Amino acid sequence: SQQGEEDPQALSIQEGENATMNCSYKTSINNLQWYRQNSGRGLVHLILIRSNEREKHSGRLRVTLDTSKKSSSLLITASRAADTASYFCATAVYGNNRLAFGKGNQVVVIP
Amino acid sequence: DTAVSQTPKYLVTQMGNDKSIKCEQNLGHDTMYWYKQDSKKFLKIMFSYNNKELIINETVPNRFSPKSPDKAHLNLHINSLELGDSAVYFCASSQDLARLAGGENEQFFGPGTRLTVL
Repeated sequence: SQQGEEDPQALSIQEGENATMNCSYKTSINNLQWYRQNSGRGLVHLILIRSNEREKHSGRLRVTLDTSKKSSSLLITASRAADTASYFCATAVYGNNRLAFGKGNQVVVIP
Repeated sequence: DTAVSQTPKYLVTQMGNDKSIKCEQNLGHDTMYWYKQDSKKFLKIMFSYNNKELIINETVPNRFSPKSPDKAHLNLHINSLELGDSAVYFCASSQDLARLAGGENEQFFGPGTRLTVL
């Protein structure tokens, strides 16, 4: 089954607003990661949260993980035009040697 | 100083042709990957190599053949190209298999190769 299905698929916000996107998965995981993909570019790792962590911060990013609900959220505070990108969550299962990527959230920040 | 590089960036070719995409990483990583991203941006793993050894081989047509001459390089050769092969192909690397198994497996992606089969 496909791990990491983000919801909603597309989000359009004004610069300065917060952007929140969600990710759900189906099996037990070791960690969950968020990646950003700017148009025409490769994915860039943003943050990793382990299964025994509930919340993690990195700059303007805040990630939560609820293993009981098998879901995660990514919050970008005080968004900027440069945050316009697709955001993917990816799950890692111990010993599986791979990441399973979700479908991605398209975020458009309007200046 | 590009960490993971791919060539070419764009590849336009006719059905039935054979083509190769090259990937190199200068991060000293042991593990490298090939992903295919379709038009809906769904990212699917194709292959993974660790220290030149194949460790992941997803259900990919055998027209696709990866080759790792050394741990810094992972090339992808595609025979008899089909229309459905049109996609963006990404190479990625991560530090080592032990970290991968333990979940500490941040991946570093190349810029992608957009393949268009006419």
